[in-house]
Amino acid sequence: EDKVVQSPLSLVVHEGDTVTLNCSYEVTNFRSLLWYKQEKKAPTFLFMLTSSGIEKKSGRLSSILDKKELFSILNITATQTGDSAVYLCAGHNSGTYKYIFGTGTRLKVLA
Amino acid sequence: NAGVTQTPKFQVLKTGQSMTLQCAQDMNHEYMSWYRQDPGMGLRLIHYSVGAGITDQGEVPNGYNVSRSTTEDFPLRLLSAAPSQTSVYFCASSTYYGQGARETQYFGPGTRLLVL
Repeated sequence: EDKVVQSPLSLVVHEGDTVTLNCSYEVTNFRSLLWYKQEKKAPTFLFMLTSSGIEKKSGRLSSILDKKELFSILNITATQTGDSAVYLCAGHNSGTYKYIFGTGTRLKVLA
Repeated sequence: NAGVTQTPKFQVLKTGQSMTLQCAQDMNHEYMSWYRQDPGMGLRLIHYSVGAGITDQGEVPNGYNVSRSTTEDFPLRLLSAAPSQTSVYFCASSTYYGQGARETQYFGPGTRLLVL
């Protein structure tokens, strides 16, 4: 059965800190891994990763995929209070066409 | 371009009632899906569709029906509501090229459902 596990479950940091969120996956017919940010509403897309070792960056956020070790990390540098959210990752199974989500990491950034 | 829209935003039902959650997208996406989100459980797939006339079950399909008569619309029907179906429901869509979705899923704003 496909599975995605995120760690830590929750995290509290101070503004300016750097955080690393982890996502490990066991997904057959793996095609891609997606990261989302969810505040109080619907998840919003951050990154889609399909190739190992290629870092994707957007401002202070970056992510990388390791297809050999079956994990991905999301880094946030110089955190701000606006980064407080639940961060979700999902693996895509191209055989079943399904996205399998982890339970998320809840990040709280204190001023 | 409205993206993915869902109605209603909030609904209260009594146990045993039926209702339909509406989802529509205007991006001509082939792939559409329904998720429910419960505290501590993440997003769980209910049903999905890779094109008009094609639907399949996700992780938690019991108590829900779907149909896909057009590319744009993907309604979710609750047949006989139960308190366990109290949740936030998200609809999502993405492009699909025969080997699975090639782009990220775009999510609708969600429907909050309370079953008493």
